[in-house]
Amino acid sequence: DVKVTQSSRYLVKRTGEKVFLECVQDMDHENMFWYRQDPGLGLRLIYFSYDVKMKEKGDIPEGYSVSREKKERFSLILESASTNQTSMYLCASSLPPSYEQYFGPGTRLTVT
Amino acid sequence: GEDVEQSLFLSVREGDSSVINCTYTDSSSTYLYWYKQEPGAGLQLLTYIFSNMDMKQDQRLTVLLNKKDKHLSLRIADTQTGDSAIYFCAEDTNAGKSTFGDGTTLTVKP
Repeated sequence: DVKVTQSSRYLVKRTGEKVFLECVQDMDHENMFWYRQDPGLGLRLIYFSYDVKMKEKGDIPEGYSVSREKKERFSLILESASTNQTSMYLCASSLPPSYEQYFGPGTRLTVT
Repeated sequence: GEDVEQSLFLSVREGDSSVINCTYTDSSSTYLYWYKQEPGAGLQLLTYIFSNMDMKQDQRLTVLLNKKDKHLSLRIADTQTGDSAIYFCAEDTNAGKSTFGDGTTLTVKP
């Protein structure tokens, strides 16, 4: 079974703090994703990585950056957290040819 | 661009069948997916269908694909209270990404 883990289930940070969200997958998947999920807005792609050190902006990359130094680990960084980044963050991974995505349990981030 | 539409809510009685519908726009999609999300959890892949198939059955789940109309449906037979969740339809796009619908909240009443 594919396992995708995220470093925290719940996180509370203050405005202006630097925040690191980590995601690890154990199935040697090439592709990894970071999404945020907000009520009424569905799932929105923040960043996508298709290989180590490779990344591509998604639909809403502003205020975020990512790091993929190892194949199994994909980190999302909020350089200076703001209250509008309060959200559920979901990490996923996938593999060709069918590219179905395997999701982590999510991190609910609150920025106060 | 790609877009996936699905109705927001569905309510059924326990034991009935549920049918969740979805339309998509990218006719070049090779795979279409159904995911389930329970409260406070991530999405869980339920099933997917290859675009050259019309139907796929997996225990209580039946997926129907009408490629001409770009319509996908998920039928859950003998729906149980444990099936209450949000169901997402998704299509694959280029380079391994997917476009997700906004999700259908299924409520199963005892």
